[in-house]
Amino acid sequence: DTGVSQDPRHKITKRGQNVTFRCDPISEHNRLYWYRQTLGQGPEFLTYFQNEAQLEKSRLLSDRFSAERPKGSFSTLEIQRTEQGDSAMYLCASTRYIGRGPQETQYFGPGTRLLVL
Amino acid sequence: LAKTTQPISMDSYEGQEVNITCSHNNIATNDYITWYQQFPSQGPRFIIQGYKTKVTNEVASLFIPADRKSSTLSLPRVSLSDTAVYYCLVGDDNYGQNFVFGPGTRLSVLP
Repeated sequence: DTGVSQDPRHKITKRGQNVTFRCDPISEHNRLYWYRQTLGQGPEFLTYFQNEAQLEKSRLLSDRFSAERPKGSFSTLEIQRTEQGDSAMYLCASTRYIGRGPQETQYFGPGTRLLVL
Repeated sequence: LAKTTQPISMDSYEGQEVNITCSHNNIATNDYITWYQQFPSQGPRFIIQGYKTKVTNEVASLFIPADRKSSTLSLPRVSLSDTAVYYCLVGDDNYGQNFVFGPGTRLSVLP
């Protein structure tokens, strides 16, 4: 399977704990995106990388959230001191960006469902 | 804040053609129109993208009038497996925070 993969698929944690999620994009894709989705809502943009550089972060993103893509391949999203409001599906997507023009198709992973107790 | 407006839900029957219209009055010159499909517990999946007039692929057609202030996703002869949420988005070549998913249209296909 050469699609976007995410690990773990499910995570249950207690409030105050730190959690880390991993995303492996499609291998030739240079852009990687993180989204959060709550029930009944569309995905909400969190941040994205081009290669190893973090180019944009949501203005609404808490300082407790941090993301890395150290070698321009896989990425990790860490949430520190989790709160119950962090419970959501965390989605990763990747695309091949080649410059101006029609948008390249964005491929999403299956997501990591987080439940904070 | 979503840049698009679409119906919250629609019902249809198997075999019918379904048309979902999306309004995007403030679309910019460089923006493309993209539709995604999402099943429960899965990530969204790209359906179709267009800039103007009509685009057709193996699963859908996208109709865009000359003023580009709206677009219509057309699904021919839907089946039960087309029951999903459909999102309309507008944006340029960057999928950043200006590429906003609204709540989408929940399509229910009935037997």
